[in-house]
Amino acid sequence: NAGVTQTPKFQVLKTGQSMTLQCAQDMNHEYMSWYRQDPGMGLRLIHYSVGAGITDQGEVPNGYNVSRSTTEDFPLRLLSAAPSQTSVYFCASSYSSGQGAMGTEAFFGQGTRLTVV
Amino acid sequence: KNEVEQSPQNLTAQEGEFITINCSYSVGISALHWLQQHPGGGIVSLFMLSSGKKKHGRLIATINIQEKHSSLHITASHPRDSAVYICAVRFSSGSARQLTFGSGTQLTVLP
Repeated sequence: NAGVTQTPKFQVLKTGQSMTLQCAQDMNHEYMSWYRQDPGMGLRLIHYSVGAGITDQGEVPNGYNVSRSTTEDFPLRLLSAAPSQTSVYFCASSYSSGQGAMGTEAFFGQGTRLTVV
Repeated sequence: KNEVEQSPQNLTAQEGEFITINCSYSVGISALHWLQQHPGGGIVSLFMLSSGKKKHGRLIATINIQEKHSSLHITASHPRDSAVYICAVRFSSGSARQLTFGSGTQLTVLP
């Protein structure tokens, strides 16, 4: 079982460059999300999607774009990288649970360590 | 603001010791997750619970809804348990799908 696959695992960018972090899941999950993890802080939600064609902003969306053209893929785009975006990025997916439901188990990718110089 | 707090931030134990990691949250939740993150690795879900207690091998997770508190216990700890343990909750208000994370507990088990 592939689960949630993130690529690349490591990336170094120069300030101002753009790039796309890829995320794919093969579990037919409706809900997908992107988080960043910084030292001393919990994971923070960047963007999320509740299904193909539907995306919304999380806690820290500035500087990032997402799209969800298929159920499987949820890429994260950095339009003009800044040193403040140096972080570890995680993609996650889960079954759709609906508003007010208990929620379901979340599956995480292996993470992408991004350094912006 | 909906918050999640974990304690301790860092924990060092000798192999075989019983370990407890705590998580408290500020308002009502619909579910609480315990996650494990190994160095350089991804994040793995250990437990998801909304009441009572769950057990998997040497790991036990409990939650007290009234006190807004959860604990993760590791019995007979082993060096391979060394990892960051993260508590995450789905708050009852707002989107039921979104998780709010604690900052994690770094556990080191010495042989």
